[in-house]
Amino acid sequence: NAGVTQTPKFQVLKTGQSMTLQCAQDMNHNSMYWYRQDPGMGLRLIYYSASEGTTDKGEVPNGYNVSRLNKREFSLRLESAAPSQTSVYFCASRETSGAPYEQYFGPGTRLTVT
Amino acid sequence: GENVEQHPSTLSVQEGDSAVIKCTYSDSASNYFPWYKQELGKRPQLIIDIRSNVGEKKDQRIAVTLNKTAKHFSLHITETQPEDSAVYFCAASPRWNTGNQFYFGTGTSLTVIP
Repeated sequence: NAGVTQTPKFQVLKTGQSMTLQCAQDMNHNSMYWYRQDPGMGLRLIYYSASEGTTDKGEVPNGYNVSRLNKREFSLRLESAAPSQTSVYFCASRETSGAPYEQYFGPGTRLTVT
Repeated sequence: GENVEQHPSTLSVQEGDSAVIKCTYSDSASNYFPWYKQELGKRPQLIIDIRSNVGEKKDQRIAVTLNKTAKHFSLHITETQPEDSAVYFCAASPRWNTGNQFYFGTGTSLTVIP
């Protein structure tokens, strides 16, 4: 099992450009999440998908959109990148049937917006 | 919604000493409390978790305690080693949580001095 994978690993964008961060999991998990991590600020939830076909806003959704393409894949789109979106982005997934379980994180995407 | 506070934000200990990190939560419906370790440049990874029907759990040098009445839980690392140096995050997950979200603390940067 590859677990949770993310592409790309690194990206540099100019202000106003758009891009999509890809995330996939092979653990058949129901729920998937996108976080951003800034220095000293911990993990902040951007969007989540509790199950295939549903998405909801988290703590910091402005400037982002998401698509739950199928059970495996959950993408994050920046329509018009801003320097404030410079961050490390983590995707995560979690099994949600039965007992509470951990979230598994992807390796992260380091995004710089100039 | 749930609010998780974590203290201290930074912690330095001598190798071989113990380290304790504390978290409080606000929602009595939270029933799952994981702890994640994040090494520099890496993804967060689960090191130990506890469910609300258990007061303490131990795994070698790591232990977690939960006080549901006071709504706090703590991570204890004994006989610390330099490889324990990392950022540690606590989290809480309420059972009402339709998004199956985790609410993370802001992290503790632990440095073990050889």
